[in-house]
Amino acid sequence: DSGVTQTPKHLITATGQRVTLRCSPRSGDLSVYWYQQSLDQGLQFLIQYYNGEERAKGNILERFSAQQFPDLHSELNLSSLELGDSALYFCASSVVSGNSPLHFGNGTRLTVT
Amino acid sequence: SQQGEEDPQALSIQEGENATMNCSYKTSINNLQWYRQNSGRGLVHLILIRSNEREKHSGRLRVTLDTSKKSSSLLITASRAADTASYFCATPRAGLGGNTPLVFGKGTRLSVIA
Repeated sequence: DSGVTQTPKHLITATGQRVTLRCSPRSGDLSVYWYQQSLDQGLQFLIQYYNGEERAKGNILERFSAQQFPDLHSELNLSSLELGDSALYFCASSVVSGNSPLHFGNGTRLTVT
Repeated sequence: SQQGEEDPQALSIQEGENATMNCSYKTSINNLQWYRQNSGRGLVHLILIRSNEREKHSGRLRVTLDTSKKSSSLLITASRAADTASYFCATPRAGLGGNTPLVFGKGTRLSVIA
């Protein structure tokens, strides 16, 4: 058990809809990252937060947004969903990024129909 | 953008054999990490090797790092069916900077046949 909790585990929704994915980091970790994993693109970094502030952005679409709350949990909001957004979305946490291991949750599998 | 690229994309071996996976990266780094992913699950950290280290061991895992060639290898000795998984290398996106996210390669799918 990594200590990182993601909800929900599965999400099925229709094109054009909006969903929110939730992540609770491992106790003591200040950095939260969101990654998208699809068969064709592999594991893509989306966005990083550190202690409530956005720290780094990756290949995150404008339709997607995220935030980290004072209790350090994070939410990833995906709107105007398209079929191509179907993927596994992972949250990971670490004490300090880049120089320390990431602890991954088990992901949210999003299916857009 | 991808920093690391694993090779081969897929590897199938018999139980008891050794498995070697390679990773090449593009820019200078201060550390490189290897992760394992069982099908549909989250990634699990295996080992971190710093740029001033050439080799590191953890149980049946051996990782090497050659910064002059910008490459790393992961060796799993005496493989077991339970080692069947995808293996990823990851490097800091900013290379030498701290507090920077990790970027992952596309992974090597290892199948260990009992």
